[in-house]
Amino acid sequence: AQSVTQPDIHITVSEGASLELRCNYSYGATPYLFWYVQSPGQGLQLLLKYFSGDTLVQGIKGFEAEFKRSQSSFNLRKPSVHWSDAAEYFCAVASDNYGQNFVFGPGTRLSVLP
Amino acid sequence: DTEVTQTPKHLVMGMTNKKSLKCEQHMGHRAMYWYKQKAKKPPELMFVYSYEKLSINESVPSRFSPECPNSSLLNLHLHALQPEDSALYLCASSQRAGGNHEQYFGPGTRLTVT
Repeated sequence: AQSVTQPDIHITVSEGASLELRCNYSYGATPYLFWYVQSPGQGLQLLLKYFSGDTLVQGIKGFEAEFKRSQSSFNLRKPSVHWSDAAEYFCAVASDNYGQNFVFGPGTRLSVLP
Repeated sequence: DTEVTQTPKHLVMGMTNKKSLKCEQHMGHRAMYWYKQKAKKPPELMFVYSYEKLSINESVPSRFSPECPNSSLLNLHLHALQPEDSALYLCASSQRAGGNHEQYFGPGTRLTVT
């Protein structure tokens, strides 16, 4: 069964600093990988996804993520964090089997210092 | 338009009440989902509808009853809930069921059971 870990429960960065959120997955084949962001009390917004091809994917709001098969990782990065990026970030993995759906990681809460 | 709408935004109900949550999308998606999210936790899948047919029920108690009247609408009927059912209920949709289709989430309904 597929699983996702996000080793960092909570990260605090200063505004303007760079950011990397870690995501590791366990899955036998090439997975479909996603990063979602959730502001307090809101739904989830898709930041980016990886299905195949170029292992560095660009998303919305200046985020990017890199798929590393050898490390079973899909880390999210942003070169310069804005105060509005403070939120909960979820990594998710899925397979292409019908009936198999998303498995979400536990989430990483990002705080941004002014 | 990548919007999924949910009503109501907030709902307070007693344990003997009957209420319904509503979800709507007009993106032509043929898969729709209900998730339950407790505070500081990732979303947990409850139900999946594919082409208006229930395809996945993740062992959800019968006090939750989903309904998909047409391809744009998804309801969740609630009856005899328990206080531990208080949570954020998220609806999502995707072009088709399966991991190779990203899910778009609504803003959620915050449910409180008294």
